[in-house]
Amino acid sequence: DAKTTQPPSMDCAEGRAANLPCNHSTISGNEYVYWYRQIHSQGPQYIIHGLKNNETNEMASLIITEDRKSSTLILPHATLRDTAVYYCIASKAAGNKLTFGGGTRVLVKP
Amino acid sequence: GAVVSQHPSWVICKSGTSVKIECRSLDFQATTMFWYRQFPKQSLMLMATSNEGSKATYEQGVEKDKFLINHASLTLSTLTVTSAHPEDSSFYICSAQGTSGSEETQYFGPGTRLLVL
Repeated sequence: DAKTTQPPSMDCAEGRAANLPCNHSTISGNEYVYWYRQIHSQGPQYIIHGLKNNETNEMASLIITEDRKSSTLILPHATLRDTAVYYCIASKAAGNKLTFGGGTRVLVKP
Repeated sequence: GAVVSQHPSWVICKSGTSVKIECRSLDFQATTMFWYRQFPKQSLMLMATSNEGSKATYEQGVEKDKFLINHASLTLSTLTVTSAHPEDSSFYICSAQGTSGSEETQYFGPGTRLLVL
């Protein structure tokens, strides 16, 4: 799996959009970009994933650059419950293991 | 949809005893299940990958005779920590991948916290 790089921490204001960057410059053509988050003492929660195109679901949007070397997870209106560690992972689909890095510790402040 | 459960959610045991942790996919069939371990203030580390009906594949450094994995059905995998010792105290998390919605996605259980005294 390609290595991903994320900032170790970031703060954001409640109600504002949170933009979480991720670099994956060595990603291969058949690797997806997955985003998970882990709220304290819980299992990781799936957020979104994509291959080439931008994706949006009820939780977030995923913007992938045209060269696929980086991506941004956007939480449109951050709430206090979005405080968590967010993991960006590059992995092939269908049964491939996920390699978790350090993630970004996001603190949403009132 | 895509719910994964684990049982128990936490367990305390004496050193030398064995502990079994169950992982179930509740609303989909999981062709592949994964077991992770997480120590305090660290990230998740993959222990093993199991496919229904076949032997698990263990990551380097994980003792297969100590961490027994059984994936006997498409909805259940078990992890047995044999002869547990205090250093095995950790947060154990399973994930399952199947065909619910998208076969490209792994869904995680809530985790099992193990404390070995």
